[in-house]
Formats: sequence, C-alpha cells, structure tokens
Amino acid sequence: TQLLEQSPQFLSIQEGENLTVYCNSSSVFSSLQWYRQEPGEGPVLLVTVVTGGEVKKLKRLTFQFGDARKDSSLHITAAQPGDTGLYLCAGRAGRRALTFGSGTRLQVQP
Amino acid sequence: GEEVAQTPKHLVRGEGQKAKLYCAPIKGHSYVFWYQQVLKNEFKFLISFQNENVFDETGMPKERFSAKCLPNSPCSLEIQATKLEDSAVYFCASSQSATGGTGELFFGEGSRLTVL
Repeated sequence: TQLLEQSPQFLSIQEGENLTVYCNSSSVFSSLQWYRQEPGEGPVLLVTVVTGGEVKKLKRLTFQFGDARKDSSLHITAAQPGDTGLYLCAGRAGRRALTFGSGTRLQVQP
Repeated sequence: GEEVAQTPKHLVRGEGQKAKLYCAPIKGHSYVFWYQQVLKNEFKFLISFQNENVFDETGMPKERFSAKCLPNSPCSLEIQATKLEDSAVYFCASSQSATGGTGELFFGEGSRLTVL
C-alpha cells in the first residue's frame, strides 16, 4: 500500500502569515498533484508536478516536488481567509489510481 | 454535461438496508473513479472504470460493494446490507485519462451516506 502522510493535520493561522504543508511517502511517484477541497464540495486540482525538484508557483502558492519524487511541499505566502480549506496531495504511480494523502485542514482567521 | 453530477446528495439508511448512488461523468471523459471520504479527510479509492469496463477495483470491498458503468446510463455504486462504518461521503470523479496527460480528476459534490 502506498501511503502519503501529510503534516500538519490541522493548521489555524492569522491572515497574512506564511505556512508550509508537507506530503511525504516512502514510495516513488511519477507525478504528484495538490487539490483543495472546500466544505460540501469535491476537491479541485491546484497543480500537477512531474519532474523531481520541480517548483511551480500559483500566485501566492508555491509547490515543490522532491528530488527523489517521494515528497512534496506546498508553501502559502501571506495567507488569506479564502485559502481556508482541506489541502490534499495525491500521487500517481504506474497504472494505479491516484493515492490521496491524509489531508491538511487549514483555517485562516481574518 | 460540464460537471460531474452525483445523486442523491444525502442518503440515510438503516443498518442492513441497501444504498445506491449515481454519478454522471463529464461528457467526453472515458474514466470514472469512486472514492470514499471518511472523517472529513481521508480519501479511499474504491474502483475505476474505462467506459463500461472495470479498470481498477483494488480498493473495492468485494462482499457488499458493487459498481457499474453502463452505456447511456449514469454510473452507480451499490452497497448491499449497509453497516455503520459505511457512513461516509462518496465522491465520483471523471477524467479524460487514467494515467496519462495531466491526469486531472474532476470531482462531483459527493453523496453523503449516513447509516443508522
């Protein structure tokens, strides 16, 4: 079983603070995705990283794929209340279905 | 359609009753995936289809769970003799590709099953 552990599980911060969410595994993935889920909705894709060491930026969000393609991080600069939600990393290996991480629930207080 | 449509949004069943959930994938998407979300965080993969054929069923509890994707009909996930631990939100997602391309999954809003 391929496991993706995310840390922290819960994070409550003030508007304007920076934060980093980690996604770690002992398995190698061909690609890794980050999704955000808001209450009552399904997850929505934020980014896909494919190459080891790859860094992608999406406005205030920076995503990095580890060199060995076993881990990833999501850094949010100057968090806003609109960033509140459940962040899920998801790894793909071969023909297997997407494996989701354990999730990080972020609450940004105004 | 342009969105993955799941019905019903909420379903309440007594323990031992049957539950059936439906999913209409985005038009043109060949792959359909079912995931179970428990405790508001963890997503567990159940089964995937390529058109009407099972693509990957490694996550499917074989005893009480079954799923189908028939031509010209919504896909379905059925749970016979529900148990308390089946209470979860069941998400359906569709994709143009199972493993290639961006592999983005487009999710529906989920069906919340409560077993009493």
